Amino acid sequence: GAVVSQHPSWVICKSGTSVKIECRSLDFQATTMFWYRQFPKQSLMLMATSNEGSKATYEQGVEKDKFLINHASLTLSTLTVTSAHPEDSSFYICSASRDTYEQYFGPGTRLTVT
Amino acid sequence: GQQLNQSPQSMFIQEGEDVSMNCTSSSIFNTWLWYKQDPGEGPVLLIALYKAGELTSNGRLTAQFGITRKDSFLNISASIPSDVGIYFCAGEYFGNEKLTFGTGTRLTIIP
Repeated sequence: GAVVSQHPSWVICKSGTSVKIECRSLDFQATTMFWYRQFPKQSLMLMATSNEGSKATYEQGVEKDKFLINHASLTLSTLTVTSAHPEDSSFYICSASRDTYEQYFGPGTRLTVT
Repeated sequence: GQQLNQSPQSMFIQEGEDVSMNCTSSSIFNTWLWYKQDPGEGPVLLIALYKAGELTSNGRLTAQFGITRKDSFLNISASIPSDVGIYFCAGEYFGNEKLTFGTGTRLTIIP
């Protein structure tokens, strides 16, 4: 149990376009979902925390108008990178938690902006 | 953001050797988690610790939650090739749900 999926697994887009990444908890209802980004050879940095039906809470330094998060249901959260630029190229990973503090991670989405 | 200090940063060992890594923080945490990440994948939860002093095993893996609540260690016994990857500790601070991740320990097995 506790399987989290992400789609797509990788995406290449042109500078200035927007990209949507989906995160789904497949076999449980997630009370909270989290979005992270990870640069090569670095640790995971939390971008935002989202709860179903409410606005996401963004970490300091993360632009909420650039990284739009929608938590439509207890099993789905989406991250939209708007007007993407090459510096947004990164590995984006979501996680989901149920009723404990254990977070279960998706397989990640590699975004490359050309 | 804040990160936990993990050591060592990298390890090169031979198959069959035991491995030990640790994680320290200047702040206390009430939950410690250990994850393994393979290249191009998301982290996979290995062990969760909830009480100071708790010692928990998962197969060849053993982890402990430090008494001071500011540190944790992970041991791997009799390493095998599939143990290769990056190990991250993560701490959760009293009910805020967010995890703070360690800097990671990269484990490589020398043939």
